[in-house]
Amino acid sequence: DTEVTQTPKHLVMGMTNKKSLKCEQHMGHRAMYWYKQKAKKPPELMFVYSYEKLSINESVPSRFSPECPNSSLLNLHLHALQPEDSALYLCASSQGQGSEKLFFGSGTQLSVL
Amino acid sequence: AQKITQTQPGMFVQEKEAVTLDCTYDTSDPSYGLFWYKQPSSGEMIFLIYQGSYDQQNATEGRYSLNFQKARKSANLVISASQLGDSAMYFCAMREEDDKIIFGKGTRLHILP
Repeated sequence: DTEVTQTPKHLVMGMTNKKSLKCEQHMGHRAMYWYKQKAKKPPELMFVYSYEKLSINESVPSRFSPECPNSSLLNLHLHALQPEDSALYLCASSQGQGSEKLFFGSGTQLSVL
Repeated sequence: AQKITQTQPGMFVQEKEAVTLDCTYDTSDPSYGLFWYKQPSSGEMIFLIYQGSYDQQNATEGRYSLNFQKARKSANLVISASQLGDSAMYFCAMREEDDKIIFGKGTRLHILP
């Protein structure tokens, strides 16, 4: 299994809603990532988990709350988002330092109304 | 300061011609990795090629090769015999020692029939 699975594929939410994005991998990778990508822009790093611990937070607003319940699962909890948070949210995993590549999921297209 | 620079926002190339996409980077880490990803209009991130900072030879993967010039801090992607299906956004990315992987702004490649 060389896939990173993200659910849901599409999400529409209001600014007062609470929702969660889910990411799963079964490749035994030790590092997992959240990226945000606006249209026609590069992916922007949000969070990195290494060995289930948060190792990098790129000064992301607290309305985004990551969680890594186990080595295969990564969640992104969303609360009180703004319309400008509408974007494609990409999850990725890698073996870790010295690895050759990030394996990306297909992303969750988020719209905040 | 931008760590990955892609100076070509867009390129138009005739089918079957070779194309070079430019990428320069900036890091003080002695150990780092450089990647190229392709993102078609469907949105998935497709891994193309990887070069480690200590690799002695330039990486090649089928029609893709990476022209790695360490002293100049450049990692250009060369696509030989371009095909219509190569039309996409191409991102150069760098991994530093802390597992942070960041992307350049990308180059939109258009292959003309």
